[in-house]
Amino acid sequence: AQSVSQHNHHVILSEAASLELGCNYSYGGTVNLFWYVQYPGQHLQLLLKYFSGDPLVKGIKGFEAEFIKSKFSFNLRKPSVQWSDTAEYFCAVREGYGGATNKLIFGTGTLLAVQP
Amino acid sequence: DAGITQSPRHKVTETGTPVTLRCHQTENHRYMYWYRQDPGHGLRLIHYSYGVKDTDKGEVSDGYSVSRSKTEDFLLTLESATSSQTSVYFCATSRGLGYTFGSGTRLTVV
Repeated sequence: AQSVSQHNHHVILSEAASLELGCNYSYGGTVNLFWYVQYPGQHLQLLLKYFSGDPLVKGIKGFEAEFIKSKFSFNLRKPSVQWSDTAEYFCAVREGYGGATNKLIFGTGTLLAVQP
Repeated sequence: DAGITQSPRHKVTETGTPVTLRCHQTENHRYMYWYRQDPGHGLRLIHYSYGVKDTDKGEVSDGYSVSRSKTEDFLLTLESATSSQTSVYFCATSRGLGYTFGSGTRLTVV
């Protein structure tokens, strides 16, 4: 079964610092990749997604992610974080073309705290 | 966003009692999912459905059952609630490449 690994469980940054959150997946075939954000007390919101084409994907709120197929990675980046970016971030993978199930498998999440 | 309504939003129940959570969608999406969210574990798939009366197990299905008798409703049942099932439960729907999540149900088993 495919899996998703997020190695950074808890990250603390000061405002204006740069952010990079790691995500690795195990599936060897075609994948679709997602980053979701969950602000305190809220449900999941989509930050960005990769389906095909340009491996550098830009999302909302200044986030971007780069798909590196050879490394099975899809790391999330932001050049300068703000206090409002404090949230939990989840990487997720869907098997290419969804198969019969269209299942979305999540990593364990990274809790980001941005200090003013 | 697709219209997804989860009910109840909060519930406290006693160990050993049955509990049913409901997910209702208004977008006619084929696929529906139940996840549980726990600190340090992220979201783990409990059960999913790929059509009316078509369901299958996810990675943490023990102690849970589901039913989908019509497109818009996906029910999650804890047959006999245990403290380990205290969690936040999220329903999601998808059609093709987009996924939408409900607001969650916070379940506490005492």
